[in-house]
Amino acid sequence: LAKTTQPISMDSYEGQEVNITCSHNNIATNDYITWYQQFPSQGPRFIIQGYKTKVTNEVASLFIPADRKSSTLSLPRVSLSDTAVYYCLVLNRDDKIIFGKGTRLHILP
Amino acid sequence: SAVISQKPSRDICQRGTSLTIQCQVDSQVTMMFWYRQQPGQSLTLIATANQGSEATYESGFVIDKFPISRPNLTFSTLTVSNLSPEDSSIYLCSVAPHQETQYFGPGTRLLVL
Repeated sequence: LAKTTQPISMDSYEGQEVNITCSHNNIATNDYITWYQQFPSQGPRFIIQGYKTKVTNEVASLFIPADRKSSTLSLPRVSLSDTAVYYCLVLNRDDKIIFGKGTRLHILP
Repeated sequence: SAVISQKPSRDICQRGTSLTIQCQVDSQVTMMFWYRQQPGQSLTLIATANQGSEATYESGFVIDKFPISRPNLTFSTLTVSNLSPEDSSIYLCSVAPHQETQYFGPGTRLLVL
């Protein structure tokens, strides 16, 4: 299970693009990078998962450089409702899913 | 994906009593997980529950305090025993139909007085 490092908190404004970077220097060959979002008083929600290059879905994009030692979650044109905690996890099929501290994103009007 | 429900959604309990939390999934899954999330903190894995076998507990969590049942592939219960104020927390169950991805229930908010 690769250790991850991400900022404790971030602030941004409505309409901006927000990029949250996660470092995972000891990522293994068979590890996937997964991001979860947690709103207050709710369980975490899967956002996006990738292995390399770029992945995009209706919620976010995930950018992974060639060395895979970091990844960036990109949220386009955020709104107040994107205020949440975002967790970066790096794991493979055999790992238990262990959560780090996450990044508290606060969107301002 | 999987849809997960938990009961109760919240409860207030007296010290020394126990609370049993139910977790129901809308599809059959092999692995279910129980987490605790204390106020303002990240999630901590309590145990992994596979149907037909004893739950596997993480360091710091014991069966006497957190007994778990897994009677079938869509249901599990977590009991928090001999409650103390330190057990006040949110308890979440989750499933992993695809092992790199988990789906979480809405959580059970417990307050111990």
